[in-house]
Amino acid sequence: QVQLKESGPGLVQPTQTLSLTCTVSGFSLTSYHVSWVQQPPGKGLEWMGRIRSDGDTYYNSALKSRLSISRDTSKSQVFLKMNSLKTEDTAIYYCTRDAAGSFDYWGQGVMVTVSS
Amino acid sequence: DIVMTQGVLPNPVPSGESASITCRSSKSLVYKDGKTYLNWFLQRPGQSPQLLTYWMSTRASGVSDRFSGSGSGTYFTLKISRVRAEDAGVYYCQQVREYPLTFGSGTKLEIK
Repeated sequence: QVQLKESGPGLVQPTQTLSLTCTVSGFSLTSYHVSWVQQPPGKGLEWMGRIRSDGDTYYNSALKSRLSISRDTSKSQVFLKMNSLKTEDTAIYYCTRDAAGSFDYWGQGVMVTVSS
Repeated sequence: DIVMTQGVLPNPVPSGESASITCRSSKSLVYKDGKTYLNWFLQRPGQSPQLLTYWMSTRASGVSDRFSGSGSGTYFTLKISRVRAEDAGVYYCQQVREYPLTFGSGTKLEIK
């Protein structure tokens, strides 16, 4: 069955770089897009960016200068890297299967706290 | 960027009643293929969001027919018939018509 699972450090220091991995199963990264979504505690959802099935990437302009999304199709993994972290980046980070716009499967999310 | 504006519900909603959640976009979400690129999600407390409908009115796999999406190019409604306790949570609309993809701020549904 389709599954996505995020992994990464729970705590990152300000100004450092966040690295998250989304490991997927039950579908191919060359057939579906994957998006990352950010949710600060108690707040709403914000789309961060997408890596398409063809490997092209698109980013939220508000994060574009700090964000990079890549993948390793042989390992069924998608990677998110965000630099120059701020305390405001404290959030749950979700990866989601993005079937041409319908975000039909989501990971459980990973909580990341930015603090010294 | 396309701004998504969601309405507020008169909470709590009695179990068994209907509830309608509204969402307005700052630009038409109709694409040249004729589809309207609007999603609805439910996020229950402590859980990941769950897709309810896409293309404005197509229910996602396994979603109850108590949920129905409708609307025009810029004004959308998610109707929940015969609400149950399990429908409680925050509902989000999302446009996937153009980048950046944007969500509404969410509408909370409480059940009495």
